[in-house]
Amino acid sequence: GAVVSQHPSWVICKSGTSVKIECRSLDFQATTMFWYRQFPKQSLMLMATSNEGSKATYEQGVEKDKFLINHASLTLSTLTVTSAHPEDSSFYICSARRPLPDSEAFFGQGTRLTVV
Amino acid sequence: KNQVEQSPQSLIILEGKNCTLQCNYTVSPFSNLRWYKQDTGRGPVSLTIMTFSENTKSNGRYTATLDADTKQSSLHITASQLSDSASYICVVTPEEGGYNKLIFGAGTRLAVHP
Repeated sequence: GAVVSQHPSWVICKSGTSVKIECRSLDFQATTMFWYRQFPKQSLMLMATSNEGSKATYEQGVEKDKFLINHASLTLSTLTVTSAHPEDSSFYICSARRPLPDSEAFFGQGTRLTVV
Repeated sequence: KNQVEQSPQSLIILEGKNCTLQCNYTVSPFSNLRWYKQDTGRGPVSLTIMTFSENTKSNGRYTATLDADTKQSSLHITASQLSDSASYICVVTPEEGGYNKLIFGAGTRLAVHP
């Protein structure tokens, strides 16, 4: 299957700092990528949809100024958690969708963010 | 409201045994139903995908079934292995939505013991 690489796998940062998470589609061009958040023992919650070359679409309740998404190329989307706080600690997962007619989406391996 | 409910919440079985995980959904109409395996600390990996017209789909020791009339799906794992220990997530795509409308179940946490 297709490969979506997420980096880093885990990160620990101090409260108030910013953290950038990268999501790359390694063997296909992804016009659309998705960012999810997952708390322990809970389901994935969609945060935002990022489309290459345009602004991301955020789900209700997700602060766009806090979770900055950039999808500057067809193989890379980044999520920056700005001014991180302990409550931002979570598991962040990206997925990338192959272009039509396939449109199948593949998930990255996730990033464990711990804010101390 | 579109919902996907999975049962049991968690399950412990012995290595070599079979098990069946359940998924009930209220999403209608829907495009497809997927089962994912998520290892601890990893992203989900697709096991099967079925459209509303399919009744069963197999992937090795994993067999998914779908009953669109009762809005139920199951994932059967045969001859379980220790590496099957993971969360199994049922995901439904509403017909009117794209991938940003995926409805995720909370998952079933399976533990396979030797």
